[in-house]
Amino acid sequence: DAGITQSPRHKVTETGTPVTLRCHQTENHRYMYWYRQDPGHGLRLIHYSYGVKDTDKGEVSDGYSVSRSKTEDFLLTLESATSSQTSVYFCAIRSPGTGVVAGANVLTFGAGSRLTVL
Amino acid sequence: QKEVEQNSGPLSVPEGAIASLNCTYSDRGSQSFFWYRQYSGKSPELIMFIYSNGDKEDGRFTAQLNKASQYVSLLIRDSQPSDSATYLCASNSGNTPLVFGKGTRLSVIA
Repeated sequence: DAGITQSPRHKVTETGTPVTLRCHQTENHRYMYWYRQDPGHGLRLIHYSYGVKDTDKGEVSDGYSVSRSKTEDFLLTLESATSSQTSVYFCAIRSPGTGVVAGANVLTFGAGSRLTVL
Repeated sequence: QKEVEQNSGPLSVPEGAIASLNCTYSDRGSQSFFWYRQYSGKSPELIMFIYSNGDKEDGRFTAQLNKASQYVSLLIRDSQPSDSATYLCASNSGNTPLVFGKGTRLSVIA
């Protein structure tokens, strides 16, 4: 997916365990985002980063932390997973648009990580 | 709370018809508006972007923006079964993160 990979793609874990999802880009873009997608809720922003060690919270940040120690990697950590965090997690990078979307800051999404917390 | 509202659907249209997808937004400061398409089990992909009032066309797709009414729409002409997907509307201003609507599921019936 256009230089952005997420790992793991699928994970099943138990309540109370820590979980880390990784987003890796090869595009050298400054902005990276973590969203979660749930039926009936659409895409909701968890955290985002605007540079190495620069992060900010989104609308559903409780229970999640992030780290960005280098440009290419943005990690999402669930310190103690709960069943309410069962979701599909998407990472995205922001880049300048071209063609019909020239002038826009375009989000390109990774393939997603499906997390199930039992 | 900045919100983007969409009818969840499903919106069913016959093949060859025009599909009309609508979106409203609450933040009058929003400057840019996006339409993403998401096939089942896949990640969203950008199909249209608009920031000026009026229409913007690309092939079978037309995005329409009315800032006074805080309304964005996407028209798909000559709808094909391959257009069946969930369409996500999103908006932002400047460097703020995109705010997404919950999406409208479109089904094109052959």
